[in-house]
Amino acid sequence: GQNIDQPTEMTATEGAIVQINCTYQTSGFNGLFWYQQHAGEAPTFLSYNVLDGLEEKGRFSSFLSRSKGYSYLLLKELQMKDSASYLCASMDSNYQLIWGAGTKLIIKP
Amino acid sequence: SQTIHQWPATLVQPVGSPLSLECTVEGTSNPNLYWYRQAAGRGLQLLFYSVGIGQISSEVPQNLSASRPQDRQFILSSKKLLLSDSGFYLCAWGAQEPYGELFFGEGSRLTVL
Repeated sequence: GQNIDQPTEMTATEGAIVQINCTYQTSGFNGLFWYQQHAGEAPTFLSYNVLDGLEEKGRFSSFLSRSKGYSYLLLKELQMKDSASYLCASMDSNYQLIWGAGTKLIIKP
Repeated sequence: SQTIHQWPATLVQPVGSPLSLECTVEGTSNPNLYWYRQAAGRGLQLLFYSVGIGQISSEVPQNLSASRPQDRQFILSSKKLLLSDSGFYLCAWGAQEPYGELFFGEGSRLTVL
């Protein structure tokens, strides 16, 4: 079957760094996506990885290891506005996104 | 630039009543269109997707249906709502090729009483 696993909740301190892990098992693979979703709002796209390695975009970076079926999202210099859920999604061989349940990130001052 | 809108944002409906959620996309042509449902603390569940006018694929058998009467219009309907239909409904669009990220509408929160 197809499965995406990510922690349910994480807590971090303002100004610190946090890493949110995601493991995936999908029928085929056409890329790994990370989305941010604030409470009561729609998800917004953060990053896309299709090749192994690290993609950096400002304070956010995303890493992919296809051989391990593993990705992480790294958030640096955390701000209170980063409090949100972070959704990991893998695109399968049919180009459909398989979604994780999301990781709720709580930022404390 | 491309935009996507869905409405209504919030609705409270009695069990057994009909439902119609509408979604429109602007600034692009021939998009893939999606309806998702998100239950509290759960991942996004794909309900329907469409690759063209009149072409609907259903992922989950249920009492919901979808239609795409125009290229950039996607409608989610039900003839009789169930309590279990409550949730946060999201419309999204994505490019056909190359396949990439999805862009979501604002969401519609449905409460069935």
